[in-house]
Amino acid sequence: EIVMTQSPATLSVSPGERATLSCRASQSVSSNLAWYQQKPGQAPRLLIYGASTRATGIPARFSGSGSGTEFTLTISSLQSEDFAVYYCQQYNNWPFFGGGTKVEIK
Amino acid sequence: QVQLQESGPGLVKPSQTLSLTCTVSGGSISSGSYYWSWIRQPAGKGLEWIGRIYTSGSTNYNPSLKSRVTISVDTSKNQFSLKLSSVTAADTAVYYCARGPIAVAGYYFDYWGQGTLVTVSS
Repeated sequence: EIVMTQSPATLSVSPGERATLSCRASQSVSSNLAWYQQKPGQAPRLLIYGASTRATGIPARFSGSGSGTEFTLTISSLQSEDFAVYYCQQYNNWPFFGGGTKVEIK
Repeated sequence: QVQLQESGPGLVKPSQTLSLTCTVSGGSISSGSYYWSWIRQPAGKGLEWIGRIYTSGSTNYNPSLKSRVTISVDTSKNQFSLKLSSVTAADTAVYYCARGPIAVAGYYFDYWGQGTLVTVSS
């Protein structure tokens, strides 16, 4: 089983600032990595797949990078609607998720 | 626009079988480009993939749940279903159905249902 570890668990950021979220895989997943955003009471929303491809309708302030075992989700300038929990998910084999990073208002 | 909607009992007794159905609209479940999955999330915790089915009926399950899970598909109704047997309180969670575009290696999830809370309690 590939274990996905996200850090930090909580990230406190002011609106307009840049947020950088990390996701590490216990073994290489190539570029088979997706990122999701989840707000309270809602289903997750796909942001990024293929490690760096934005899903349909996702604003350009969201960007993904990395390959192998180290991945990053960057939100260039946080908007009020971006405060949420973010999950990474590898799909190199079984689709397992990381534990999530909560982005909260500083 | 594809939509998925979960339905089923919100309360299940311990040791019984949890049964949920996902109805897909705005697209055909028979499309060969997607897997159809169940995912769950206990309150305040992360996401756990349960298993998936293809239009042909072929399935794969999370190894940790495999002995208790059955996923089936009814293409005539554009639905797929989840059965989880011998439930305990640890199975209390919001259950989501989701669509997964088939990628080269595996799949991610581009459309999700709104989720349905299932509580296991006597």
